[in-house]
Amino acid sequence: AQTVTQSQPEMSVQEAETVTLSCTYDTSESDYYLFWYKQPPSRQMILVIRQEAYKQQNATENRFSVNFQKAAKSFSLKISDSQLGDAAMYFCAYSGETSGSRLTFGEGTQLTVNP
Amino acid sequence: ETGVTQTPRHLVMGMTNKKSLKCEQHLGHNAMYWYKQSAKKPLELMFVYNFKEQTENNSVPSRFSPECPNSSHLFLHLHTLQPEDSALYLCASSQPTGPGNTIYFGEGSWLTVV
Repeated sequence: AQTVTQSQPEMSVQEAETVTLSCTYDTSESDYYLFWYKQPPSRQMILVIRQEAYKQQNATENRFSVNFQKAAKSFSLKISDSQLGDAAMYFCAYSGETSGSRLTFGEGTQLTVNP
Repeated sequence: ETGVTQTPRHLVMGMTNKKSLKCEQHLGHNAMYWYKQSAKKPLELMFVYNFKEQTENNSVPSRFSPECPNSSHLFLHLHTLQPEDSALYLCASSQPTGPGNTIYFGEGSWLTVV
């Protein structure tokens, strides 16, 4: 079975600074996808970024980028120029060839952005 | 405005009540999901529907009864719940289930069982 681990329950960052959230996963599948979702106080889960395992290039979306280390099974999220609106719970998630669209989530990291 | 709408947003019910949660997606998707989010626990997948057919039931107690009348609507019927069922219930949708399809979530329905 696949597992996703987020070892940082809480993180904080100063506004305009950069922060990196960690995620590791375990799988024996060769074809899989990794996601970062953001859950603000509204509680809606919002997709931040998506990475396909067969792509070596790290995904980027504006101020959000990932560091995908396939051999180490690591998938960290870097948020640059942090804004107050980035404050949220961030979840790392996995889906693979045997799970279809089913997502396996990590425990989440609560990010606080300090003005 | 969200492509996945859930009602009610908040629900308080007694253990002997019967209530339902409703979800509607406006994204043209064919797969719909129910997830449960409890405090300090990862999101748990409950049910998956693909083209109105239930394709996954993740060992959910029978006091939770899903219904998917069409690809745009999903219900979760609740009866004789327990206090430990209090949680945020998230509905989601995607293109037909397959690896890598992005799942879009609603804002959730907060359920409190008293």
